[in-house]
Amino acid sequence: DVVMTQSPLSLPVTLGQPASISCRSSQSLVYSDGSTFLNWFQQRPGQSPRRLIYKVSNRDSGVPDRFSGSGSGTDFTLKISRVEAEDVGVYYCMQGTHWPYTFGQGTKLEIK
Amino acid sequence: QVQLVQSGAEVKKPGASVKISCKASGYIFSTYDISWVRQAPGQGLEWMGWISVYNDKTTYAQKLQGRVTMTTDTSTSTAYMELRSLRSDDTAVYYCARNYGEDYWGQGTLVTVSS
Repeated sequence: DVVMTQSPLSLPVTLGQPASISCRSSQSLVYSDGSTFLNWFQQRPGQSPRRLIYKVSNRDSGVPDRFSGSGSGTDFTLKISRVEAEDVGVYYCMQGTHWPYTFGQGTKLEIK
Repeated sequence: QVQLVQSGAEVKKPGASVKISCKASGYIFSTYDISWVRQAPGQGLEWMGWISVYNDKTTYAQKLQGRVTMTTDTSTSTAYMELRSLRSDDTAVYYCARNYGEDYWGQGTLVTVSS
């Protein structure tokens, strides 16, 4: 199975400051058609997961533009330009290139 | 509006089976797959598999092969996930999601396996 490794696992951030989460995969996530199926999910406390970013850098509908994704191959990053209180929760990267799909361990974002 | 409403919490003994339902509304049920994801207490997410509502084709995570069955009932727009031979490490919140989690998720069903 593809192992997804996130860092940091805990991310205290001051309101209004930027945040960045790294995700590395144990093998390339480039699919045979050239697409890279790397997604980012947010899970707020007590809620179901919600996808924020798909195929590395595409924001889902309704996702604020302060969220952005980047990367290629095996190294990916989720950035929040200015953290707001509603961003508290756990963030997971997830690969959908190789079955079984796998998630990172999660990064817990909290307000400092 | 689109909703996925799951059945309530379950407590099972080791070796038993559990069957969770996921009732869809607000869209044409047969036009989207249903995926199942679980989350052990305080842990991360694990993709269990999915079912094509259109043709009932299933794809399961290998570690669950032989113990899991995903089905649908198009007459009631309901998807089901049955897990057999339950172990303590199957204790988790189980989620259904439309397609591959890109938009709608159920609220989750807690399954506790304990003697």
